[in-house]
Amino acid sequence: AQSVTQLGSHVSVSEGALVLLRCNYSSSVPPYLFWYVQYPNQGLQLLLKYTSAATLVKGINGFEAEFKKSETSFHLTKPSAHMSDAAEYFCAVNAGGTSYGKLTFGQGTILTVHP
Amino acid sequence: DTGVSQNPRHKITKRGQNVTFRCDPISEHNRLYWYRQTLGQGPEFLTYFQNEAQLEKSRLLSDRFSAERPKGSFSTLEIQRTEQGDSAMYLCASSPDRPNSNQPQHFGDGTRLSIL
Repeated sequence: AQSVTQLGSHVSVSEGALVLLRCNYSSSVPPYLFWYVQYPNQGLQLLLKYTSAATLVKGINGFEAEFKKSETSFHLTKPSAHMSDAAEYFCAVNAGGTSYGKLTFGQGTILTVHP
Repeated sequence: DTGVSQNPRHKITKRGQNVTFRCDPISEHNRLYWYRQTLGQGPEFLTYFQNEAQLEKSRLLSDRFSAERPKGSFSTLEIQRTEQGDSAMYLCASSPDRPNSNQPQHFGDGTRLSIL
């Protein structure tokens, strides 16, 4: 079984401040992990993915995430928030094996950026 | 790459009616997925196709739901006798066919279903 927990349904930061969105996962096999962003009334856009090649993953728009197996975490960070980063962010896990193809998502974190 | 296309974008219907949604995946993608997203929640997996074969169905997919991908290209999701609880965003995604499962899924903009 696989699951994802996103700590904090809402995160608010000032423009230029550090963004930290937390994600913890549970998986019985080595996971593949993803972060997606969703703007209102739109689908999900891939920010970055972890596929066991490197623990620090860089994505689009200045985001990055670090895979920490010992903590079962895959937190998303960005050094300096921009107004355009305001959106909902989802962490997802794909456990591979017989469950390949299916993504299990967290409940999402809404990021608000204040001027 | 024209992206994943979903139609209609919005559907409003009365309880008890049948509805059908269409998804056109990225042309070279063999895998096609359906998810449902309710307000304030993350997407939940419904079903998955590889080419025309439906390989997995979630327990969320009751008998009133049916999905098809007859020629391995576009897919349809039909809901019969709609209920209030069916109100949600229905998302379609596609991905390439590779031995590993690390290929990202590309999502469409979804169909938002509202049941009156």
